[in-house]
Amino acid sequence: DTAVSQTPKYLVTQMGNDKSIKCEQNLGHDTMYWYKQDSKKFLKIMFSYNNKELIINETVPNRFSPKSPDKAHLNLHINSLELGDSAVYFCASSPSPWGREASNEQFFGPGTRLTVL
Amino acid sequence: GNSVTQMEGPVTLSEEAFLTINCTYTATGYPSLFWYVQYPGEGLQLLLKATKADDKGSNKGFEATYRKETTSFHLEKGSVQVSDSAVYFCALSDLYGNKLVFGAGTILRVKS
Repeated sequence: DTAVSQTPKYLVTQMGNDKSIKCEQNLGHDTMYWYKQDSKKFLKIMFSYNNKELIINETVPNRFSPKSPDKAHLNLHINSLELGDSAVYFCASSPSPWGREASNEQFFGPGTRLTVL
Repeated sequence: GNSVTQMEGPVTLSEEAFLTINCTYTATGYPSLFWYVQYPGEGLQLLLKATKADDKGSNKGFEATYRKETTSFHLEKGSVQVSDSAVYFCALSDLYGNKLVFGAGTILRVKS
């Protein structure tokens, strides 16, 4: 059973389009995250949700809107796609958002490679 | 703010060679420290972690020790295999929100 799954795995689209990436975790975790990995492999957090509540929003353009319908799902919607949005987007989850817990390990999904033409 | 610096790659080694990938960090407080590995075409997997000073994380022959005095968490392995070829990321966990701050990643290539 896949612990953190993302769909689609690949997404190719034109500039200006709107697209969504879905993430689901079956680990029973309270906290979910979106990270962006650029072409140089650099990883940076975008958002974090704890029990459907936004707790981290890292200076991401407001074209990006995360939505968490329940604590097992965190979707990422992107409006008016730009060339610079091309990247691999990773979803992750962890039991707790508070770093001092021993269970603060994050479990990552396989990634969604977004290509904007 | 918090940051992680790791040695640039790619690092190219022959099979059975000794591996060191350097990682240093800047943080307020005492973050948890991690090494994640990304195999080609895959997501990130936790390799090892340490949650307090002097802790040693170890897994699959890899080790790293949390050194508060030098703010370092260097990754080592005594004898690398071709299957260890991957990108290795050092990261720290921000105590609020548990966001991971990653280093730039180090590509490791192991030749047979």
